Amino acid sequence: RKEVEQDPGPFNVPEGATVAFNCTYSNSASQSFFWYRQDCRKEPKLLMSVYSSGNEDGRFTAQLNRASQYISLLIRDSKLSDSATYLCVVNHNFNKFYFGSGTKLNVKP
Amino acid sequence: DAGITQSPRHKVTETGTPVTLRCHQTENHRYMYWYRQDPGHGLRLIHYSYGVKDTDKGEVSDGYSVSRSKTEDFLLTLESATSSQTSVYFCAVSPGLAQDTQYFGPGTRLTVL
Repeated sequence: RKEVEQDPGPFNVPEGATVAFNCTYSNSASQSFFWYRQDCRKEPKLLMSVYSSGNEDGRFTAQLNRASQYISLLIRDSKLSDSATYLCVVNHNFNKFYFGSGTKLNVKP
Repeated sequence: DAGITQSPRHKVTETGTPVTLRCHQTENHRYMYWYRQDPGHGLRLIHYSYGVKDTDKGEVSDGYSVSRSKTEDFLLTLESATSSQTSVYFCAVSPGLAQDTQYFGPGTRLTVL
């Protein structure tokens, strides 16, 4: 079983739509959680950390559900520039990070 | 910007030849990592380092070796490249503090013919 699983998509949404991604992780001892964004042929870049209480950064909201072992990312008012692959990342061995395969988002005009 | 560079950025080589990829950082972060990224597999950890001369294996370490003789440099060596090692290789660094995340270099695209 993979450490981190994501729906690969693609999610095709119109501009202005709200879209949500989920990610599940297998190790209940996981300690820290992140969402990264990766543009085509570029390196992954940190989008946001995910805290137990949930957190928001502008149009982006991340939630953590430890009981069900999943994290989510909500994007409101989607922009064309949000088109990318979103990677879910989990850390449960100190400083070893486990990546999902990514969810592809296409925002259409 | 974590000041991470990778060299070379692109390389084409032949099966059986040795290849060394270099990762250089300017922020003196303790932890450094090498990943490979392939379609359908996401990022997979090859090796990582938790200090000068301190390294450990990741999930896909076979066929790869690493060295870290200075804080700022982490080298990945393919002793005898195979076509299955054609991939995009990313270096990452982390300060190593609680809840810290990773920062990635721009990647090296390696093709083994």
